[in-house]
Amino acid sequence: EVVLTQSPGTLSLSPGERATLSCRASQSVSTSYLAWYQQKPGQAPRLLIYGASSRATGIPDRFSGSGSGTDFTLTISRLEPEDFAVYYCQQYGGSPPWTFGQGTKVEIK
Amino acid sequence: QLQLQESGPGLVKPSETLSLTCTVSGDSISSSYYYWGWIRQPPGKGLEWIGSTYYSGSTYYNPSLKSRVTISVDTSKNQFSLKLSSVTAADTAVYYCARIPLTARDFDYWGQGTLVTVSS
Repeated sequence: EVVLTQSPGTLSLSPGERATLSCRASQSVSTSYLAWYQQKPGQAPRLLIYGASSRATGIPDRFSGSGSGTDFTLTISRLEPEDFAVYYCQQYGGSPPWTFGQGTKVEIK
Repeated sequence: QLQLQESGPGLVKPSETLSLTCTVSGDSISSSYYYWGWIRQPPGKGLEWIGSTYYSGSTYYNPSLKSRVTISVDTSKNQFSLKLSSVTAADTAVYYCARIPLTARDFDYWGQGTLVTVSS
C-alpha cells in the first residue's frame, strides 16, 4: 500500500500569506497520478490539482502543485479568506489503487 | 453540467447491509473515458476509497473492505450502486460517489455526499 503522509497537520496563517503543504509517499508515485483536493465544512472535496501540477477547471492560479517521486507540494501563493479549509493529497497505483493522505488543515491565524 | 447524486437510507442497523445508489446526469456512465467510484468519510476524519467500477462491470475494491463490498453498474438507468454488508458503527460515514477520468485517475466530480449512520 502506498501511504501518503501530509504535513503539517495544521497550518496557521493570515490572509495574504503563502501556504506550503507537503505530501510524502511511502514509495514512488507517478506524477500522472497525484492529485490535491480542497474540502470545506459540510461540502464534498473539490479537485484542485491533477497530474501533480495541472490545475483543474476553474481553479485560480494562486494554487500550484509540484514534486515528483515521493515528495509533492501544494502551494497557495497568497491566501484568500475562502482558502481556509482542509487539503488532501491522493495517489493512484499499487494496492489499494487509490489512497488519500490524512489531510492538512489551513486555519486563520 | 455533470451531476452525481447519492441516494439511500440514512440509517442502517448493525449487521445489516448498507445500500446506496449514485445517479449520474449530464454524462453517460457508459463512457469509455471514466471509472466511477465510492469514497467515504467518517465524521471528523479523512477520506477512504471504497471501490471503483467501469461501465463494463469491472470492479476494484479496497482490500480492507473487499469481503463486504459490492459495486454494480446499471447503464440503462445511468446509475451505479454500493452495497456494504455486515455493517457496524465503524461504517458510519458520509458516503460520496465520484467520477474518475482514466487519464488522471483522480476524482474530478463528486456528489454532495450522504450521511449513513449505523445504529440500532
